[in-house]
Amino acid sequence: EAQVTQNPRYLITVTGKKLTVTCSQNMNHEYMSWYRQDPGLGLRQIYYSMNVEVTDKGDVPEGYKVSRKEKRNFPLILESPSPNQTSLYFCASSLYRGETPLHFGNGTRLTVT
Amino acid sequence: DQQVKQNSPSLSVQEGRISILNCDYTNSMFDYFLWYKKYPAEGPTFLISISSIKDKNEDGRFTVFLNKSAKHLSLHIVPSQPGDSAVYFCAASTIGSNYKLTFGKGTLLTVNP
Repeated sequence: EAQVTQNPRYLITVTGKKLTVTCSQNMNHEYMSWYRQDPGLGLRQIYYSMNVEVTDKGDVPEGYKVSRKEKRNFPLILESPSPNQTSLYFCASSLYRGETPLHFGNGTRLTVT
Repeated sequence: DQQVKQNSPSLSVQEGRISILNCDYTNSMFDYFLWYKKYPAEGPTFLISISSIKDKNEDGRFTVFLNKSAKHLSLHIVPSQPGDSAVYFCAASTIGSNYKLTFGKGTLLTVNP
């Protein structure tokens, strides 16, 4: 089954403790992206990647890192999480070829206390 | 500056009637528009899209209309069903650039039986 898989689904952590949210897709998609969803703000892009070793900042990159060492994986790294990073995070992927829609994972609910 | 605006946070309609969800954009470089549907505890799923060379695209009960001069698009659902109750996100991008999707804040549609 074609899918984007995020782990974990739920995560509670404390300020400053480094964490990684994993994202994997099995559709051989070139393009991957991370979004966060906050009440009243919709979906905002954090980082995106157009292919292996090619990443760039989205609209809200501060406090986040990403890497794209393999085509299928695009982990989101929070080196020193803060409470304002409490949010619902979505990973997405697509073929980078013309008009193709994004496929989203089911989300990771992160709480930073 | 919000480039994609969904000015109605919520909409309530009766089953069988038409649902019309609206979206406005400010960036005249956008040339590809999408609608996503999101249920609670799930990631957004692609619904329908339209490129700027068209003014209408239809898929079953769902039709998207694009008015480029007004920088406005709308999603029509006819007839509406209770299973259509979800948050609907409008999104826009510039194909051929970096395929960066910009989302609106979403509209919660409730279809009452």
